[in-house]
Amino acid sequence: DSGVTQTPKHLITATGQRVTLRCSPRSGDLSVYWYQQSLDQGLQFLIQYYNGEERAKGNILERFSAQQFPDLHSELNLSSLELGDSALYFCASSVLSGALQETQYFGPGTRLLVL
Amino acid sequence: GQNIDQPTEMTATEGAIVQINCTYQTSGFNGLFWYQQHAGEAPTFLSYNVLDGLEEKGRFSSFLSRSKGYSYLLLKELQMKDSASYLCAVGFSGGYNKLIFGAGTRLAVHP
Repeated sequence: DSGVTQTPKHLITATGQRVTLRCSPRSGDLSVYWYQQSLDQGLQFLIQYYNGEERAKGNILERFSAQQFPDLHSELNLSSLELGDSALYFCASSVLSGALQETQYFGPGTRLLVL
Repeated sequence: GQNIDQPTEMTATEGAIVQINCTYQTSGFNGLFWYQQHAGEAPTFLSYNVLDGLEEKGRFSSFLSRSKGYSYLLLKELQMKDSASYLCAVGFSGGYNKLIFGAGTRLAVHP
């Protein structure tokens, strides 16, 4: 158990709908990262937040958005869902203390199925 | 740009040794991570190399050559539970701890 929690574990919805995925980082971690993993694909970095502010963006679609709240939990919002958005969505966290490079610890993921 | 290559699949026998290679091309290299991921589960951290050489951790070792853009993960005394995907990930300086992941190597351990 990494200490990162994600809810829900599974989500089934229809095309065109909107969903919100939630992540709570490890205690003491200030930075949250979101990744998408489609079937038989590698982890694709979506977006990073640090202490409430967006820090880096990866291959995130305009239909997707995220935020990090004052209590440091983060939400990933996916709208106008398409079949191709079906994937595992992982959240990871790290302290981001300014060290050279930090290990990211991953949550259990949310499996999204768009029908 | 960044490019990370690792074999798609490997098979090995229980009790044997297997080496999973990873090559990368990137700028601003800030270290290389290996993660293990069982199907449908979260990636879990195995090792981190930032300097050249071998890091040993129990049955798992990881090697890095920065000049060659090359790393490998060595798994000894393979067990059935080692059947998983192994992800190579490169960190970038100035990237706020950003990681770029390879597609992963799916390892199947047979009796």
